[in-house]
Amino acid sequence: AQSVTQPDIHITVSEGASLELRCNYSYGATPYLFWYVQSPGQGLQLLLKYFSGDTLVQGIKGFEAEFKRSQSSFNLRKPSVHWSDAAEYFCAVGAAAGNKLTFGGGTRVLVKP
Amino acid sequence: EAGVVQSPRYKIIEKKQPVAFWCNPISGHNTLYWYRQNLGQGPELLIRYENEEAVDDSQLPKDRFSAERLKGVDSTLKIQPAELGDSAVYLCASSLGGDTQYFGPGTRLTVL
Repeated sequence: AQSVTQPDIHITVSEGASLELRCNYSYGATPYLFWYVQSPGQGLQLLLKYFSGDTLVQGIKGFEAEFKRSQSSFNLRKPSVHWSDAAEYFCAVGAAAGNKLTFGGGTRVLVKP
Repeated sequence: EAGVVQSPRYKIIEKKQPVAFWCNPISGHNTLYWYRQNLGQGPELLIRYENEEAVDDSQLPKDRFSAERLKGVDSTLKIQPAELGDSAVYLCASSLGGDTQYFGPGTRLTVL
């Protein structure tokens, strides 16, 4: 069975500082991996996805993520955080893009001025 | 291009009452998903449709939940009767041919 762990429930970061959100997955084959962001009262917006190829994936809003098969990780990074990045971030894994997605519990990011 | 549309956005009902949620996917998307997101957790799949066919409903509590997608476009998810534990956000998503899933804003259900 597939599973996703996001070890950090909350992260507080100063505006302009770098951000890294951790994601570890469990899946028997090559996974399809996603990062979504959810602002309060909103649905999930896709930040980026990894299916195959280059293990460093660029997404929207200046985010990037790196797939590391040896560590079963897909960590999300942003070099300089903006106040508008305050939201909840979800990592997800699927057997294929259109199949069921299994989500982690989410990491809530707070941005200090 | 319009995104996934859901209605209502909020619903408050008393336990044992019925409730229904509606979803209109992105135009042309043949795959539709219903997820439930409990407070402080990630979404969990309830049911997945390929056109009119429910291809994965293993997580749908069939004693009280039902769903339909009669014409392979919009979909309705129903709960009857609702229980206190059904309070959650119900998210609809759609995709084209098994590609990336795009989510709607969700319906926040509160059962009193």
